[in-house]
Amino acid sequence: DTAVSQTPKYLVTQMGNDKSIKCEQNLGHDTMYWYKQDSKKFLKIMFSYNNKELIINETVPNRFSPKSPDKAHLNLHINSLELGDSAVYFCASSQEYGGAYNEQFFGPGTRLTVL
Amino acid sequence: DQQVKQNSPSLSVQEGRISILNCDYTNSMFDYFLWYKKYPAEGPTFLISISSIKDKNEDGRFTVFLNKSAKHLSLHIVPSQPGDSAVYFCAASGGETSGSRLTFGEGTQLTVNP
Repeated sequence: DTAVSQTPKYLVTQMGNDKSIKCEQNLGHDTMYWYKQDSKKFLKIMFSYNNKELIINETVPNRFSPKSPDKAHLNLHINSLELGDSAVYFCASSQEYGGAYNEQFFGPGTRLTVL
Repeated sequence: DQQVKQNSPSLSVQEGRISILNCDYTNSMFDYFLWYKKYPAEGPTFLISISSIKDKNEDGRFTVFLNKSAKHLSLHIVPSQPGDSAVYFCAASGGETSGSRLTFGEGTQLTVNP
């Protein structure tokens, strides 16, 4: 029983294409996140949703648009893909937003390669 | 501006010995610190955490120490086992508007040799 799952695990595509990454959590958590791990291995938050409401929106290009159809899902759509978008994208969830003690559970990651 | 730093990209220790992973932070608003462990091709998994009101938290073989005045924390693993070989990320959160936002360090690759 995977707690946080992402599809696809690998995504190879051409520059200029539009692609989506899906994330689902079966933990009953209220808050979900998208992180990007770049070539320097830093994990940086991109977005956070709480009860389907956007809470955190870091300085991410408008080409990235998260969509949360319900509390258990947070999808990431990327328009007009660029070479610099190549990275590993991690979805995560936590029980609630706010409060210092909410550990985040991560999905296995999606490795995006833009050619 | 990297607010959480792990200055050692790698650490190699012998099985049975102690592993000490270090982390420094610059943001005095951080009040909660976590360590995550990551195996290749998997997502990070939560390992242990500490609140700023404490200076030590222990869970089995893992102990985290916090030195607020030095803005420094460390993770001790003793005894180290080959299965502990992974990348360890330090993360911090805190401040009125941070919510659950985590700021991660760049990770330290721990290798435990049999």
